[in-house]
Amino acid sequence: ENVLTQSPGTLSLSPGERATLSCRASQSVSSSFLAWYQQKPGQAPRLLIYGASSRATGIPDRFSGSGSGTDFTLTISRLEPEDFAVYYCQQYGSSPYTFGPGTKVDIK
Amino acid sequence: EVQLVESGGGLVNPGGSLRLSCAASGFTFSNAWLSWVRQAPGKGPEWVGRIRSKADGGTTDYAAPVKGRFTISRDDSKNTLYLQMNSLKTEDTAVYYCTHYIYSSGWKWGQGTLVTVSS
Repeated sequence: ENVLTQSPGTLSLSPGERATLSCRASQSVSSSFLAWYQQKPGQAPRLLIYGASSRATGIPDRFSGSGSGTDFTLTISRLEPEDFAVYYCQQYGSSPYTFGPGTKVDIK
Repeated sequence: EVQLVESGGGLVNPGGSLRLSCAASGFTFSNAWLSWVRQAPGKGPEWVGRIRSKADGGTTDYAAPVKGRFTISRDDSKNTLYLQMNSLKTEDTAVYYCTHYIYSSGWKWGQGTLVTVSS
């Protein structure tokens, strides 16, 4: 099983700052099949990035994904008030597909 | 537009059974590989399992916690995905989502259906 580790667990930042979230896999992720989701309380996860770097439909360009192999990054260039949430990565290159434990981005 | 609509959730006793359905539209269902994902209260998402298209063998894979208790199946004539859950445990309490991956646009999720396992 490809285990995903996310860091940091919590990121405390102010609106307008840059957020850098890390997702590390225990094995190489095949074909960069790595997705990022945002989740707010009471809502379903919202797809932000798929294929490691492709933005999903309707996602603002302040969100960007990068990386390959075992190391991936989600960057939010300038935090807006609505960006404070929990972020999960997911690999779907090999079964079982796995999710990371999440990074909470909260207001400093 | 891709739509995935889950149904069948509810309250069930430990040891009981429940079958979830996912009605799909907006894509060629028979060609699709489909997955179930769940999220327990206060926890992150957890992949449950997937089923391949019949052209790719129609076989299934499961996560370790549900293997041997859950069965994924499909009815291509009805564009419907199923999740049969047996020997339910309290730790199976979660919102269950039907998901589908499209290479050009990523993962699509349904709205989810809540399963509560409690006496």
